[in-house]
Amino acid sequence: EVQLVESGGGLVKPGGSLRLSCAASGFTFSSYSMNWVRQAPGKGLEWVSSISSSSSYIYYADSVKGRFTISRDNAKNSLYLQMNSLRAEDTAVYYCARDRSGSYPDDAFDIWGQGTMVTVSS
Amino acid sequence: EIVLTQSPGTLSLSPGERATLSCRASQSVSSSYLAWYQQKPGQAPRLLIYGASSRATGIPDRFSGSGSGTDFTLTISRLEPEDFAVYYCQQYGSSPTFGQGTKVEIK
Repeated sequence: EVQLVESGGGLVKPGGSLRLSCAASGFTFSSYSMNWVRQAPGKGLEWVSSISSSSSYIYYADSVKGRFTISRDNAKNSLYLQMNSLRAEDTAVYYCARDRSGSYPDDAFDIWGQGTMVTVSS
Repeated sequence: EIVLTQSPGTLSLSPGERATLSCRASQSVSSSYLAWYQQKPGQAPRLLIYGASSRATGIPDRFSGSGSGTDFTLTISRLEPEDFAVYYCQQYGSSPTFGQGTKVEIK
């Protein structure tokens, strides 16, 4: 079964750091671009970051550029999001999602994890 | 950044009725890189349509997408009880963005 499972969410103080992980199974992880998408409570979806299959291409939303770092370990079938200098407005459910096809991040997101909640509050 | 505006915000319909959802882009979406997702409470989004009009794997044929350039439409031909949810459009040509969503609720 094709599956993505996020972990690492929790409560963190403003200015703090958190590292999210996404474990992939059921498909050849190293062949797909991957993405992080977040959803603040009661709000819509916001794209956060994308990474190509070989990590050659990395993109960020302006709202997280310079604070968040996306990475992947194809040997471990895992995607990561290092989040630093966290703000209250980063509070959201964070989803990892797979690009539908290809090694370059330019497709729809066809597989999604169940999400992990990040709460930034003092 | 391409801004996507969805309308209406809420659509109140009965099972069996036809639903027409609109997504308008602030600039042309390249190569019809436009997708539609369905999200139910407490669940992750599910891909319905990609490339503006291609159904994703396992999506029933009552869901159809159309449009190009800046105007796109998702049509649900006959609403089933499980179709009441929030629907998002997304452009993925450059720096992906999502619309704010349309809630399809039971009338």
